[in-house]
Amino acid sequence: QKEVEQNSGPLSVPEGAIASLNCTYSDRGSQSFFWYRQYSGKSPELIMSIYSNGDKEDGRFTAQLNKASQYVSLLIRDSQPSDSATYLCAVKRGSARQLTFGSGTQLTVLP
Amino acid sequence: DAGVTQSPTHLIKTRGQHVTLRCSPISGHKSVSWYQQVLGQGPQFIFQYYEKEERGRGNFPDRFSARQFPNYSSELNVNALLLGDSALYLCASSLRALDGDEQFFGPGTRLTVL
Repeated sequence: QKEVEQNSGPLSVPEGAIASLNCTYSDRGSQSFFWYRQYSGKSPELIMSIYSNGDKEDGRFTAQLNKASQYVSLLIRDSQPSDSATYLCAVKRGSARQLTFGSGTQLTVLP
Repeated sequence: DAGVTQSPTHLIKTRGQHVTLRCSPISGHKSVSWYQQVLGQGPQFIFQYYEKEERGRGNFPDRFSARQFPNYSSELNVNALLLGDSALYLCASSLRALDGDEQFFGPGTRLTVL
């Protein structure tokens, strides 16, 4: 079992729709979870961090965490073509509390 | 304020050579982490430094080494380059090295080994 798993996609949604990105993790001791966005040829950009069960909203983005199910998700409301990118789920684990990433979900928002 | 900076942006080396990559963290941040990202994969953890001490090391061979300087900047060194070392090398900066500290990435150094 991979430490962090994401649906590899690609995921396509029409402009204005809600995009839903999912992530599961294997280490029950993990406490910190992050979503990064990575445009092609660029470095990852932090979108959201979440530490407690429940929802956390920031503009059009909502992160959801369920530690019992070891599940993290990211919802993007009113998706725009500029949201087209690869979304990386990351979990802090290990003695150095380093980020462990999933392989990413490629999202395309169709105009 | 300036974000994380990395140099060089691109680098082309041949097998067996040595390379040094450099990173300057966000002002006030004391922790630097290095990651390797190959095409189609998420970044893989290489090293983490905090207050000039190594706090963690990923599953990379001893050809990879790093250090952090008193001004919190960092270098990643790779010896005896292999074709498989071709990747995007990312530096991430955080305030400290705690669980809740967010990590912010620099633009990366794209290394090509021929």
